[in-house]
Amino acid sequence: GAVVSQHPSRVICKSGTSVKIECRSLDFQATTMFWYRQFPKQSLMLMATSNEGSKATYEQGVEKDKFLINHASLTLSTLTVTSAHPEDSSFYICSATDNHYGYTFGSGTRLTVV
Amino acid sequence: GDSVTQMEGPVTLSEEAFLTINCTYTATGYPSLFWYVQYPGEGLQLLLKATKADDKGSNKGFEATYRKETTSFHLEKGSVQVSDSAVYFCALSVNTGNQFYFGTGTSLTVIP
Repeated sequence: GAVVSQHPSRVICKSGTSVKIECRSLDFQATTMFWYRQFPKQSLMLMATSNEGSKATYEQGVEKDKFLINHASLTLSTLTVTSAHPEDSSFYICSATDNHYGYTFGSGTRLTVV
Repeated sequence: GDSVTQMEGPVTLSEEAFLTINCTYTATGYPSLFWYVQYPGEGLQLLLKATKADDKGSNKGFEATYRKETTSFHLEKGSVQVSDSAVYFCALSVNTGNQFYFGTGTSLTVIP
């Protein structure tokens, strides 16, 4: 079946630094990728939608300059949290689709900013 | 707009008890409905899905039936196990390629 690899699974960084999270579709071409954020004991909230080769579409309230998304190829999308602060600590999950076979979620990245 | 309303938790059950987690939806089109499960420290895994009215999704003893008349997709399992302890999310998607709308999640703890 379709597999999406998300890396790293856990990361701890210092306040003010940037962190990059990768999302790769291993056995299919992902025309669209989604980035979600999950606050403790809450649901997943869509942050942005990215299509290969074009700029990401951000949901209302999501700072595009803080959460940089690059969908450079049909198998890779990256989310960079710039100048991270403790309030950015969260669980980030990507999902990918080729628009035919449904969605596959990554295993998530637990970001802790200290 | 499209949305999902899910029964709030947490839910605590004894092993072999019957489980129901309620989920209702609002959608402008004809959605596909999903249940995802998130085990501690892991990402989301698709548990089951249904793509049209009256379809029943099933997997690992869990079932959910797409009820258009009541706009519901309740998750059920006849006999839960300790290994079923997780957070369960109801979700919908209107068109392939579009985003998912998730419920708030229901935490289930099964005690021996």
